[in-house]
Amino acid sequence: AQSVSQHNHHVILSEAASLELGCNYSYGGTVNLFWYVQYPGQHLQLLLKYFSGDPLVKGIKGFEAEFIKSKFSFNLRKPSVQWSDTAEYFCAVNYGGSQGNLIFGKGTKLSVKP
Amino acid sequence: KAGVTQTPRYLIKTRGQQVTLSCSPISGHRSVSWYQQTPGQGLQFLFEYFSETQRNKGNFPGRFSGRQFSNSRSEMNVSTLELGDSALYLCASSLYGGGTEAFFGQGTRLTVV
Repeated sequence: AQSVSQHNHHVILSEAASLELGCNYSYGGTVNLFWYVQYPGQHLQLLLKYFSGDPLVKGIKGFEAEFIKSKFSFNLRKPSVQWSDTAEYFCAVNYGGSQGNLIFGKGTKLSVKP
Repeated sequence: KAGVTQTPRYLIKTRGQQVTLSCSPISGHRSVSWYQQTPGQGLQFLFEYFSETQRNKGNFPGRFSGRQFSNSRSEMNVSTLELGDSALYLCASSLYGGGTEAFFGQGTRLTVV
């Protein structure tokens, strides 16, 4: 079955620390990859997406992600986190085709200490 | 542009009742998907509608159903509510589904007592 794994349930960092959140997906051919963020009390927002082309994708708020096809991974990174990055981060995969469903990872809660 | 609007924001229902949730997608978007979010299971796909047709369905019992109207607005219905149906129900709209970007609403928080 198609699945998405996020390695960390809860990550605690101090401001200015670097961030890397892992995401792996099960094999399924062509994939479209997404990272969403959910700030406390707010709706899910798209951070970045990968469809094809350059495997290093830049998103909003200084986030980037790298697609490594051989490892079925799409890890999220940020060189220096801020307190305002405190949120829950979700990796999601669409397994190609026109059908619109996303398969989400369980999410990683990020807490940034000021 | 206006975002995805879900109504109501909060609902409290009794076991055995039924409930209808509504979602108005972004203007021009033809795909509407529904997700259930719980602390234990995370975000799980319920179904997707595109141009008034259910195009894809997740692994939920038949008590969960939906429909889409000609203006792309969508409703989700849950019959014979169970305590385990308590969750945040999210609606997402996108232009065509698939790899196009999905925009999420604030969700409807359903509590079954």
